[in-house]
Amino acid sequence: AQKVTQAQTEISVVEKEDVTLDCVYETRDTTYYLFWYKQPPSGELVFLIRRNSFDEQNEISGRYSWNFQKSTSSFNFTITASQVVDSAVYFCALRLNRDDKIIFGKGTRLHILP
Amino acid sequence: GAVVSQHPSRVICKSGTSVKIECRSLDFQATTMFWYRQFPKQSLMLMATSNEGSKATYEQGVEKDKFLINHASLTLSTLTVTSAHPEDSSFYICSAIRAGTGGWNEQFFGPGTRLTVL
Repeated sequence: AQKVTQAQTEISVVEKEDVTLDCVYETRDTTYYLFWYKQPPSGELVFLIRRNSFDEQNEISGRYSWNFQKSTSSFNFTITASQVVDSAVYFCALRLNRDDKIIFGKGTRLHILP
Repeated sequence: GAVVSQHPSRVICKSGTSVKIECRSLDFQATTMFWYRQFPKQSLMLMATSNEGSKATYEQGVEKDKFLINHASLTLSTLTVTSAHPEDSSFYICSAIRAGTGGWNEQFFGPGTRLTVL
């Protein structure tokens, strides 16, 4: 069975601190995709990144970076120099290549305190 | 990027009434759409897969007679919550699949519909 675990339910950090959101996934499939989405209070999901299972390169986009390690089945997300606008719920998600269903983790609610 | 809309964005109804939520892909054709439900402070749970021109496929535990899905065209899927009750109050999100090249099908999410049943 497929599963995504985000062990951190809620995190609070002071603005400008770095913060890492953890994500661990489970699947026996060899081809899959991993995602991170941001959900601000409005509710609309904002796509942040997609990674396929064959690409373990880490990615950096501005203050955001992602660390994908197949050996530990983890796909962690780091925000550097956090800002109040980063406050949101962040979801890690898994999608198998054999169908288009997305399995979401339970989400991490991130509070950036001014 | 592609746009998926939902209507209405917010609806309040009385217990026992039926509510229809529309999901439209505005600039592409979507043979497949998905419906998710999100209770407050919880994750998105897939309810059903909606395929154009065929019956929807429901996830385990989702009542198909309660949540009627119709995917009548390549740009429109509707979710009808029949005889809604307060426990059906939730945030309903749809997504639409745009077929791509190289085997990758992009999925785009709608902005969600907040249903409150009094």
